[in-house]
Amino acid sequence: NAGVTQTPKFRVLKTGQSMTLLCAQDMNHEYMYWYRQDPGMGLRLIHYSVGEGTTAKGEVPDGYNVSRLKKQNFLLGLESAAPSQTSVYFCASSYGFQIETSGRREQFFGPGTRLTVL
Amino acid sequence: GQQVMQIPQYQHVQEGEDFTTYCNSSTTLSNIQWYKQRPGGHPVFLIQLVKSGEVKKQKRLTFQFGEAKKNSSLHITATQTTDVGTYFCAGAPYSGAGSYQLTFGKGTKLSVIP
Repeated sequence: NAGVTQTPKFRVLKTGQSMTLLCAQDMNHEYMYWYRQDPGMGLRLIHYSVGEGTTAKGEVPDGYNVSRLKKQNFLLGLESAAPSQTSVYFCASSYGFQIETSGRREQFFGPGTRLTVL
Repeated sequence: GQQVMQIPQYQHVQEGEDFTTYCNSSTTLSNIQWYKQRPGGHPVFLIQLVKSGEVKKQKRLTFQFGEAKKNSSLHITATQTTDVGTYFCAGAPYSGAGSYQLTFGKGTKLSVIP
């Protein structure tokens, strides 16, 4: 099992450019999440998904869009990148309300994408 | 919204000394989780606490969940250089599907001096 993978690992954008970050998981998890991590700020939730075809806003959703067309993939889009979006982005996944895994709420994180917006 | 405060922000200890980080939530939690992030790495799950007053141990690590389910602590006995990293607590609100949505503290960065 590869667990949670993220593409790309590094990216440099100019202000106004767009890009999509890809997250994939092979653990058949229902829930997926996108976080950003900035120095001294911990992890902040951008968007999350509780199942294929559904998404919801987290704590800091502005400037980002997401899609969950397939259960194993969760995409994070930046339509018009800004320097304030320079950050490390982590994707995570977890079990949902599946009977056999009831109570297991831990999140499995990908290796992260380091994004710089100039 | 829910806030999770974590102290201290930084801790420098001599190898062999003990270390404790504390986490406080503004609201009652359904569960609290702890994660460790090594320098340059990603957060890795350590443990989940669900019950009021729960105490769990993993070798030299002891985790506690407060009676009111609003605070938690992580204590490391006799730190080693392998303990270096940032420790995050993450709390989930008390509401069904929302109990999967975590609010992370800002973390405690632990440095261990050999």
